[in-house]
Amino acid sequence: QVQLQESGPGLVKPSETLSLTCAVSGYSISSGYYWGWIRQPPGKGLEWIGSIYHSGSTYYNPSLKSRVTISVDTSKNQFSLKLSSVTAADTAVYYCASSSSMVAPFDYWGQGTLVTVSS
Amino acid sequence: EIVLTQSPGTLSLSPGERATLSCRASQSVSSSYLAWYQQKPGQAPRLLIYGASSRATGIPDRFSGSGSGTDFTLTISRLEPEDFAVYYCQQYGSSPTFGQGTKVEIK
Repeated sequence: QVQLQESGPGLVKPSETLSLTCAVSGYSISSGYYWGWIRQPPGKGLEWIGSIYHSGSTYYNPSLKSRVTISVDTSKNQFSLKLSSVTAADTAVYYCASSSSMVAPFDYWGQGTLVTVSS
Repeated sequence: EIVLTQSPGTLSLSPGERATLSCRASQSVSSSYLAWYQQKPGQAPRLLIYGASSRATGIPDRFSGSGSGTDFTLTISRLEPEDFAVYYCQQYGSSPTFGQGTKVEIK
């Protein structure tokens, strides 16, 4: 059973960079699958941020692409999200999730972590 | 970007009743790459349906999906108490997008 766990600061200042990590257990990232980030502002819907393959190939939401970097560390079996120049609009619960391909749904999800952007 | 519009925004029903949720896409969804998720307060979304009509592992058969092209439907045949939640559709045929959600609440 694949398990995912997000970690990172819960509070980020405006204009700074949000950094989160997702630790994967029960499955080796190097074996395949795509690893993604999705966010949900409080009381609102879901927004895909981007995904990465174990080889390092990345796919980003066009609306966020200029500010997003997703990377993978196969030695630690984890992947990471960096979102630069954050504003209050980036306040959300951030989920990491997995899909078997880029044309597949997200079948495993982390529990989510709330990141608040505030000074 | 494919925009997904879900209706209604809120559905007020009683346990045992049938729920019908709609998801309409702004353009045709490739190969029926359409999924449905259930989300309860404080929890991550859970995959219910993929490929428009295939149930994910462990999902009860009271949940069914149908549709193609731009119009998709999630049906819950008889609502159980644990089914009251928010439901999202998602297309994954191109850059993934989600609908805004339908809340199924107890009447």
